Amino acid sequence: AQSVAQPEDQVNVAEGNPLTVKCTYSVSGNPYLFWYVQYPNRGLQFLLKYITGDNLVKGSYGFEAEFNKSQTSFHLKKPSALVSDSALYFCAVRDIGANTDKLIFGTGTRLQVFP
Amino acid sequence: DSGVTQTPKHLITATGQRVTLRCSPRSGDLSVYWYQQSLDQGLQFLIQYYNGEERAKGNILERFSAQQFPDLHSELNLSSLELGDSALYFCASSPTSGRAGELFFGEGSRLTVL
Repeated sequence: AQSVAQPEDQVNVAEGNPLTVKCTYSVSGNPYLFWYVQYPNRGLQFLLKYITGDNLVKGSYGFEAEFNKSQTSFHLKKPSALVSDSALYFCAVRDIGANTDKLIFGTGTRLQVFP
Repeated sequence: DSGVTQTPKHLITATGQRVTLRCSPRSGDLSVYWYQQSLDQGLQFLIQYYNGEERAKGNILERFSAQQFPDLHSELNLSSLELGDSALYFCASSPTSGRAGELFFGEGSRLTVL
């Protein structure tokens, strides 16, 4: 079964520093991987996705993610964090089959950026 | 604004009652997904509809049911409510089914069961 794991419940970083939010995946076949962000009292917003091709994927708000097949990871990164990046971040994998079609989400990582 | 509209935004009700949550997908999107977000179980997939037909089913209780209407809006019906059903219920839509596309989420309906 497809799954993703986010090993950190919370990540703290100072404004201006680079940030990394970790995600590892377990899939059969080729992975379709996503990152979403959730601000307080809001729905999830799509940041970026990896389907195939370049291992470095660029997304919204200056975020990028690196797909690493050997380490089965898809970490979210940003070179310089902003206080406004503070939110809940979800990694997800698409689970597609004959009778299934859905995104499976990780447990989420709360990013706190301090001024 | 994702273009997905959910109503109501907040709902408070009592145990044993029944509620209906409504979702209007983005214009032209054929797929509608329902997810439940709770503190102890994270984001759980409930059910997906594609162009009016049930496409995939997840951890949806028998007390819950959903449908997608010809105009593509969807409703999630929750009955015999229990305290544990208190959660944020999200609807999401996408233009296709079975393709590697992103989902567009609504703002959610927060259900509180007292």
